[in-house]
Amino acid sequence: ETGVTQSPTHLIKTRGQQVTLRCSSQSGHNTVSWYQQALGQGPQFIFQYYREEENGRGNFPPRFSGLQFPNYSSELNVNALELDDSALYLCASSLGRRNEKLFFGSGTQLSVL
Amino acid sequence: GQQVMQIPQYQHVQEGEDFTTYCNSSTTLSNIQWYKQRPGGHPVFLIQLVKSGEVKKQKRLTFQFGEAKKNSSLHITATQTTDVGTYFCAGPIRSQGNLIFGKGTKLSVKP
Repeated sequence: ETGVTQSPTHLIKTRGQQVTLRCSSQSGHNTVSWYQQALGQGPQFIFQYYREEENGRGNFPPRFSGLQFPNYSSELNVNALELDDSALYLCASSLGRRNEKLFFGSGTQLSVL
Repeated sequence: GQQVMQIPQYQHVQEGEDFTTYCNSSTTLSNIQWYKQRPGGHPVFLIQLVKSGEVKKQKRLTFQFGEAKKNSSLHITATQTTDVGTYFCAGPIRSQGNLIFGKGTKLSVKP
């Protein structure tokens, strides 16, 4: 067990809808990274939050946005869902900006119909 | 853009055989990390290599970081069914430091 929890575990949405995914980081960790993992692929970096500020962003459109709260938990919001957004969304927590040793949650499986 | 590539994509072995996966980066890396994802699970951190030419061992697993810090390998000796899963290497994006992952090598082990 990593101590990183994500909710919900599964979600079904229709194209055009909006979704919010949640992540609680491991105790003592102040950095949260979000990844999208399509079936059979490696995790793709979406963005990272360090002490409530965005600290890096991958090649994802602006309809992917996020927040980090004072307790270091985080949200990932996706607007105007597209079919290709169907994937496993992974949250990972770590300590500091150095991106060493990420602890992943079990993920949210999002299906867009 | 910066890429991390892994080969092979899939590897099927008989239990007891050895297994190796290779990771190559398009740029020099400050460090490389390896993760394992079991079927239906999430990536779990295995190890981080930092120094040029570094070799680290964890029981039957041997990890190497190339002299030029652009490639790495993971070797498993005498595979067991518990080794089944996908092995990912990951390195930091030069401009940001955030980790990018390779596509992984999926290992299956036949008992």
